[in-house]
Amino acid sequence: KAGVTQTPRYLIKTRGQQVTLSCSPISGHRSVSWYQQTPGQGLQFLFEYFSETQRNKGNFPGRFSGRQFSNSRSEMNVSTLELGDSALYLCASSLTQPGQGSGYTFGSGTRLTVV
Amino acid sequence: GEDVEQSLFLSVREGDSSVINCTYTDSSSTYLYWYKQEPGAGLQLLTYIFSNMDMKQDQRLTVLLNKKDKHLSLRIADTQTGDSAIYFCAESIVGGSQGNLIFGKGTKLSVKP
Repeated sequence: KAGVTQTPRYLIKTRGQQVTLSCSPISGHRSVSWYQQTPGQGLQFLFEYFSETQRNKGNFPGRFSGRQFSNSRSEMNVSTLELGDSALYLCASSLTQPGQGSGYTFGSGTRLTVV
Repeated sequence: GEDVEQSLFLSVREGDSSVINCTYTDSSSTYLYWYKQEPGAGLQLLTYIFSNMDMKQDQRLTVLLNKKDKHLSLRIADTQTGDSAIYFCAESIVGGSQGNLIFGKGTKLSVKP
């Protein structure tokens, strides 16, 4: 059974550009969450989707957006990149609706470097 | 707001037991999780415990939950060098602005041969 797949694994972008990251959840999982991980702030929640609907959003500026498709695949977009957006972006999928346990399975992440 | 705290570092000798501790603040948490992160990798779910349980054992891993003190611990028996990683404690919250999983900062476990 394939795990959570995130593409690309590594990205280097220039300040001011935009970027799109992709996440394919485990087959059958309908809940997808995104987290940003940095050495200083740790793991911070970006957003969560369930059945194509955004169920929850973290405290990030509007430059960060996301969506989920009918096949549960999710994308997140960051526009007008800043140096501080350099981070590991992690996607997690879950079988159940938010808060019903069963655990979240994480992908290997996309390492974004903004120069 | 919700908060999860862990000590940042733990160093043990190979073959010893490791105990990683965590405290959380939200008494309505339904599940508590332990994740492991190796360098350059994502988070691997190690185990989780439902909030009405006191203990859960899974091979070399033992999770203890003291709900009164909001204290969670992960014990790794017979620690090996391959256990060197960062361990994250997380509590589940439904609908909070920090998301459904609130993570601690992680405990870096170093295992010396």
